[in-house]
This record gives sequence, structure tokens and C-alpha cells, in this order.
Amino acid sequence: KAGVTQTPRYLIKTRGQQVTLSCSPISGHRSVSWYQQTPGQGLQFLFEYFSETQRNKGNFPGRFSGRQFSNSRSEMNVSTLELGDSALYLCASSLAPPGQSGETQYFGPGTRLLVL
Amino acid sequence: AQSVTQLDSQVPVFEEAPVELRCNYSSSVSVYLFWYVQYPNQGLQLLLKYLSGSTLVKGINGFEAEFNKSQTSFHLRKPSVHISDTAEYFCAVISNSGYALNFGKGTSLLVTP
Repeated sequence: KAGVTQTPRYLIKTRGQQVTLSCSPISGHRSVSWYQQTPGQGLQFLFEYFSETQRNKGNFPGRFSGRQFSNSRSEMNVSTLELGDSALYLCASSLAPPGQSGETQYFGPGTRLLVL
Repeated sequence: AQSVTQLDSQVPVFEEAPVELRCNYSSSVSVYLFWYVQYPNQGLQLLLKYLSGSTLVKGINGFEAEFNKSQTSFHLRKPSVHISDTAEYFCAVISNSGYALNFGKGTSLLVTP
């Protein structure tokens, strides 16, 4: 079974631009979560989707948004990019929502975004 | 809310030596605990998890961890490390009603010959 895939793997943007990142979960997984990883802040939760519904969002500004499609694929969008948005963005999928009976989240390789 | 403290940011160790990576958590409710490993330029890979039952959990690549409720710890151990174990290790916690993993800051394990 294929793992979680994320595209693109690397991205370079300039301040003020917007970016869309894509995540394809493991087949059959309906829950997708996004995390931002930076050297300073570590791993921080962005969003969680289940069956096309955003159930939870982390403490990030409104410039960060996302969605999930009927096939469970998910996208996240960052508008008006800032230098501080440079990070590794990780997508994780699971059969059921995180926390439900200790459901395991499986992570993709991430998209490394560099904002210049 | 839950939080995780990984007590060591870096752990250098010689090949074939044993290693312990420490993790302490804080929570007012019951939690599930995880250890993930991240190799350079890769995502996170699950090493093992504790849900309930036996406090000694065995994972992949020869790693194991012991859940200690009284000390709120979940330390990761390996009796003999290899060069290929060099990576960043993350401890994470989530409650049954939680919606996101809360990660520690990570421990960088460096194995040298």
C-alpha cells in the first residue's frame, strides 16, 4: 500500500506570494492533518480534516487555510507569504480521527517551503 | 492540554553502545504516547506507541519504551545502536479526546564509530 505522498517536495517563493501544497493520504484513510515544522518552534499543528470537514485548527493566522476533497486528498494554502513561513510542512493521515483509541498518524515526506 | 518535554536535545553515543532517550509528559487525563523518528530530509516514521496494557512496548528497529505513569515518563531505549540510527527522535502525546499530536522538541541522536 502506498504511503502518504506530498507534492511538491520543494518550493521557493517570494514574500507576498501564495502557495498551495497537496497531500494524498494512504488509501482508505479519511483523516488528514497538517503540521508545520521549524527549527525554532518544532512541530506545530495546523489543521485536521475528516470526511471533508475541518474539525480543528491550530493557532495560525487566517493566511493559512486548507480543504479536503471527497477522495480524502487535502490541500493547504498560505497566502501573502512571510519569511517566517519558511518551514517543512508535513501531512499525516489516519483511518480515524487522531486521538480516537490511539489511532496512528502516518506522515508524508513533507514539502519544504523557502520564502525569500 | 498535554505537553511533552524531551530532556536531551542531543545525545552522542558510540556504535554498539546502549542508548536511552528521555521523554516526560504532562496531562490531566489519560493519554496515548508515541515515538517517531525522522531521518534527514524525510517525514516522521512511527517507532512505537503505548495505548494501554503492558508498560513495556517494543517497536521497530530494536527500539523499546517503558511507560511509567507515576513518573509521567515514556523513555525510549535501544540496547545496541547502529550508525544508521542517527536521526531526530520525537516523543508525542495525545488524549482520547484530542485532535492533534503534541510533540516534544526532539532529540538528535548521533551515533559514531
